[in-house]
Amino acid sequence: DGGITQSPKYLFRKEGQNVTLSCEQNLNHDAMYWYRQDPGQGLRLIYYSQIVNDFQKGDIAEGYSVSREKKESFPLTVTSAQKNPTAFYLCASTPSSHLNQPQHFGDGTRLSIL
Amino acid sequence: AQSVTQPDIHITVSEGASLELRCNYSYGATPYLFWYVQSPGQGLQLLLKYFSGDTLVQGIKGFEAEFKRSQSSFNLRKPSVHWSDAAEYFCAVSPSGTYKYIFGTGTRLKVLA
Repeated sequence: DGGITQSPKYLFRKEGQNVTLSCEQNLNHDAMYWYRQDPGQGLRLIYYSQIVNDFQKGDIAEGYSVSREKKESFPLTVTSAQKNPTAFYLCASTPSSHLNQPQHFGDGTRLSIL
Repeated sequence: AQSVTQPDIHITVSEGASLELRCNYSYGATPYLFWYVQSPGQGLQLLLKYFSGDTLVQGIKGFEAEFKRSQSSFNLRKPSVHWSDAAEYFCAVSPSGTYKYIFGTGTRLKVLA
């Protein structure tokens, strides 16, 4: 079955450390997204990518970085500049970024501070 | 600015009772509208979507939603709730021709046996 795989499910970060969250999809989707979810705040867009080797900042990109070297993969790095990284991170994809299609979601990664 | 409002943070219903979750959006034209459900520690699953046409749309798990342009609303309904429906529900809008998906803050549903 096609889908989105996020790993790891749980991740712990030490002070001053960068950590990378993995997102892989086998849906052959062009567009991929990263969201941050905090209790009571819904989903907030961090970065999105419409095609390989291209990505755009979302509403809360500060302290995060991404790459899109392959269509299937869209890893998110939480840098030490992100002072409040504790949250649930969700990766999503759509067949095309401009056709308003429903998003498919992975099962998320929960990041906590040690 | 475009926004989505889910005015009910928590809703509790008894099993077998009917359910309505409210969603209002702020956008100049008719957007693409979605309802998703999220179980604890999981991703979001699409329940239904509205693009155009019939304003009453049917989704999975017995859910339906009605688009009312005059009220800028897209409320989710279910005639008879099951205990397995306990979850968090998110309304989302996507302005036509854009990459953006704007989510509401969610409504957490509790079902009493």
